[in-house]
Amino acid sequence: EVQLVESGGGLVQPGGSLRLSCAASGFTFSSYWMHWVRQAPGKGLVWVSRINSDGSSTSYADSVKGRFTISRDNAKNTLYLQMNSLRAEDTAVYYCAREPAVWWLRGAFDIWGQGTMVTVSS
Amino acid sequence: DIQMTQSPSSLSASVGDRVTITCRASQSISSYLNWYQQKPGKAPKLLIYAASSLQSGVPSRFSGSGSGTDFTLTISSLQPEDFATYYCQQSYSTPRVTFGPGTKVDIK
Repeated sequence: EVQLVESGGGLVQPGGSLRLSCAASGFTFSSYWMHWVRQAPGKGLVWVSRINSDGSSTSYADSVKGRFTISRDNAKNTLYLQMNSLRAEDTAVYYCAREPAVWWLRGAFDIWGQGTMVTVSS
Repeated sequence: DIQMTQSPSSLSASVGDRVTITCRASQSISSYLNWYQQKPGKAPKLLIYAASSLQSGVPSRFSGSGSGTDFTLTISSLQPEDFATYYCQQSYSTPRVTFGPGTKVDIK
């Protein structure tokens, strides 16, 4: 079964750090570009970051640039999001998502994890 | 960034109704428009990609149309499992994709 499973969320104080993980299974992880998308409580979906298949290229939303770092370990089939200098407005469910490796599905997300909640509060 | 709007923000409908949701982009995005369904407490699910192509496994009662700046998602005959929130997403400016604010479909 094709699956993404996030972990690492929790409660953290403003200014703190957290590392999220996303374990992939059921597909050739190293062939796919991967993304993080977040959703604040009761709000819509917001793209956070993307990494290409071999990890050599990354992109970030302006709201997290310089604070968050996306990475991957293809040997471990795992995607990461290192989050530093966390703010209250980073409070959200964080989803990892797969971008299909075909041009007609460019930029679409066909597989999503179940999400992990990050709460930034004192 | 490309801004996405959706209308209506919510709607009430009955099982069997035909439902149409509209999505508009702030600039032309060709056909780089995708639709997702999200149920409470669950991850989004891809329904339609490239404006009108049905994702594998999605029922044929879902369809999409449009190009440029104006798009629609249609559910031809609403089923009980279709009550959810629907989001459009532009992938023209990938990786900096943006989502619409969502349309909540609930039971009349």
